[in-house]
Amino acid sequence: SQQGEEDPQALSIQEGENATMNCSYKTSINNLQWYRQNSGRGLVHLILIRSNEREKHSGRLRVTLDTSKKSSSLLITASRAADTASYFCATLSTGRRALTFGSGTRLQVQP
Amino acid sequence: NAGVTQTPKFQVLKTGQSMTLQCAQDMNHEYMSWYRQDPGMGLRLIHYSVGAGITDQGEVPNGYNVSRSTTEDFPLRLLSAAPSQTSVYFCASRPTGEKINTGELFFGEGSRLTVL
Repeated sequence: SQQGEEDPQALSIQEGENATMNCSYKTSINNLQWYRQNSGRGLVHLILIRSNEREKHSGRLRVTLDTSKKSSSLLITASRAADTASYFCATLSTGRRALTFGSGTRLQVQP
Repeated sequence: NAGVTQTPKFQVLKTGQSMTLQCAQDMNHEYMSWYRQDPGMGLRLIHYSVGAGITDQGEVPNGYNVSRSTTEDFPLRLLSAAPSQTSVYFCASRPTGEKINTGELFFGEGSRLTVL
């Protein structure tokens, strides 16, 4: 079964707006990661947040983690048409070696 | 560095045929894995390996075999293809070890398989 579930499944916004995607998971984690996938391509790592961290920034990306609610959010600020892609959260559960991925959020940024 | 290289990019099989999806990485990563991606289901782990000679099952291992004879290569074998194995397959790797086990995966570009 899926460990991470993203919400919403699809999101359409205008260029310049912020995009927020949420991820919920079920078990204790070592870290949580966000990946991006352009259509027809492989996944690319965006950002990793460890279980003892609450917030992390990377450029226009901001990730938060609430381990008490078993949830994370990815905020993309000032979105661009080039941000159009699918975004996946992935969790590394405590004691496990393999990442478990959610079903993803499809983001469409209209120019 | 080429990163993670998958071949073939596209393949069409008939039910019952066998084939091998190739994956090679040139980053000296100990950990390698195979995922399949189906619409609306995200990525599901098939098999993974933490080093040469060591493999383990993931979430959906049935119908697939793997072996790891070298650090660089991690082929995925379909023994008798079924339509349910129509999917996009991704190989991914990362370094392991106590100090560098960040968990960040490096992905190949995928192999799109259709089983008729």
